[in-house]
Amino acid sequence: DAMVIQNPRYQVTQFGKPVTLSCSQTLNHNVMYWYQQKSSQAPKLLFHYYDKDFNNEADTPDNFQSRRPNTSFCFLDIRSPGLGDTAMYLCATSREKKPGQGEKETQYFGPGTRLLVL
Amino acid sequence: AQSVSQHNHHVILSEAASLELGCNYSYGGTVNLFWYVQYPGQHLQLLLKYFSGDPLVKGIKGFEAEFIKSKFSFNLRKPSVQWSDTAEYFCAVIPYTGRRALTFGSGTRLQVQP
Repeated sequence: DAMVIQNPRYQVTQFGKPVTLSCSQTLNHNVMYWYQQKSSQAPKLLFHYYDKDFNNEADTPDNFQSRRPNTSFCFLDIRSPGLGDTAMYLCATSREKKPGQGEKETQYFGPGTRLLVL
Repeated sequence: AQSVSQHNHHVILSEAASLELGCNYSYGGTVNLFWYVQYPGQHLQLLLKYFSGDPLVKGIKGFEAEFIKSKFSFNLRKPSVQWSDTAEYFCAVIPYTGRRALTFGSGTRLQVQP
């Protein structure tokens, strides 16, 4: 089945120790997103890639970066995790016809990576 | 910036009861609207969506939602809930043009008692 896959599902890291989360998709979608969901809160967009173009949200901390080496894979790098970065990180994908214009397509979500920073 | 309000944070129902979850959004332009569901231990799944046309949309598992443009609302309904509907439900909006970010409501936790 076509799907969005995230690895690992659970990650424990120490304060300040860099961590990388992985997302892959078999949907061949051109847009990939990273959302952060803290406990009992709504998911919040960190950034997204439209094809190879990176789009950062204005309030995403500099500590968070992303890489998209090809259509299928996207990584979330947290350079120096703080305790406040403990959250669920959700990857999503969609197929968009035009950049920023016209009807938005449905975003499909992966199972998430639960990150705990100690 | 757009925002989404879900009025009910926690709803407890008995099986066969009817369900209505409220969702209101604030945004000046055209939006696309979604309801996502997250079953315990599972990922966010699309329940239904509204892009255009008939404001009453039907989704999976007997759910439906009605878009009322004048009220900026997109309420979710189900005539008769089942124990398996126990989950968290998120309303989300995205502007028709511009930013590609989904804005989610804070979610409603539905607990259906057998």
